[in-house]
This record gives sequence, structure tokens and C-alpha cells, in this order.
Amino acid sequence: GAGVSQSPRYKVAKRGQDVALRCDPISGHVSLFWYQQALGQGPEFLTYFQNEAQLDKSGLPSDRFFAERPEGSVSTLKIQRTQQEDSAVYLCASSLGGSYQPQHFGDGTRLSIL
Amino acid sequence: SQQGEEDPQALSIQEGENATMNCSYKTSINNLQWYRQNSGRGLVHLILIRSNEREKHSGRLRVTLDTSKKSSSLLITASRAADTASYFCATDAKAAGNKLTFGGGTRVLVKP
Repeated sequence: GAGVSQSPRYKVAKRGQDVALRCDPISGHVSLFWYQQALGQGPEFLTYFQNEAQLDKSGLPSDRFFAERPEGSVSTLKIQRTQQEDSAVYLCASSLGGSYQPQHFGDGTRLSIL
Repeated sequence: SQQGEEDPQALSIQEGENATMNCSYKTSINNLQWYRQNSGRGLVHLILIRSNEREKHSGRLRVTLDTSKKSSSLLITASRAADTASYFCATDAKAAGNKLTFGGGTRVLVKP
């Protein structure tokens, strides 16, 4: 059984470029989350989808960050006009939904902005 | 911002010893979860304890929750070298939907 898959695993971009990070959740999982993890820190919440609806985007740092999940399955996190402070690991997680379901994480995309 | 504080930040023990780490949080919660993260990998769910539970066991793991003190502890008994990882507590806050708020983690090194 496949887990959560994220691509690419590593992304290097020059400051000012746009990047797109992909997440394939576990089949049947209605909830999908994006987190940002700085080196040596715990993950910080970015945004949450239930099926295709983005129910919470309170953690997105700026309007340069945009996430979508148009068909309620695959999700893409897009960062426009990247800046050095965007360098981090971006983690995607999915769950069956509800408050008592564990979240299943992918291995993340390590983004480095030069 | 991160809700929780974890203590200690780092822990080094010999194989076979027990490892204990603590987590404090700030708001009312639905549940508290513990995750493990190996270097360069995603987080793996270990155990979930509901707000109305005080203690829970899973294999070599024992979790306690004290909602009056807004704190939790994770005990790993008879540690193994393979337990070397970072451990994070995460809270599912009552007013925050289903998102998790993580602590800063405890880095555990188990020496063979």
C-alpha cells in the first residue's frame, strides 16, 4: 500500500523563481495538510483541505503561497517569487478526517532558495 | 508559532535504558499525539491520547496526559539503537479544526 508521496524530494531554485510542490495522498483520505519545517524545528501548519475545499489557510506566510486540491486528491503547493526565507522542508500529510485520526506524512520536499 | 515546549531538547542514553520526554501546551485540546521523525524523513505517528484519557500504552511506549497542567510525557522503555530519532508532540486544539500544532521536538540518541 502506497503512503503519501511528495515530489520532488529536493528542489533548488533561484530567488524570484516560482516553484510547485506536489503531494499524492493516501487513496481515500479526505483530509490533506501542508506543513513547513525549518531546520531543527517542529513542523508548522500552512493549510488544510477537506476533499477539494480549502478549509483553513491561516498558516500561509504570505500571498506568495498558494495551495490547491482541485479534484480532492492530488495537491499542489505553489510559491511565487521565492525568497531565501522560504528555504525549508515542506511536508504533506493526509488522514481519513476527523479529530481522532492520525496524520500520515510524506518524506517532504526540501526546498533551497539561492 | 508552535504551541508546545518539549523537554529536554536532546537526550543521549545507552541501549536498554528508558527514555522520557515531556511536552507542555497552552490551549484546550481534543487530543495529543506523538510522532517520530528519522533524519531526512517524514513524521511517523506513534500514539494518540484523547483529552479524557490519562494514560495510554502501545508496545514499549507509554504516554501520560495531565490536562490540568497542560502537559504530556512519552516514555520509551528498553530503548534500542533504532529508536534514535526526533520525537514531537502535537496537539489537536479544540478551536483549531483538525490541524496539528507541533512542539520543537526532542532529539534522542540511543548508543549501542
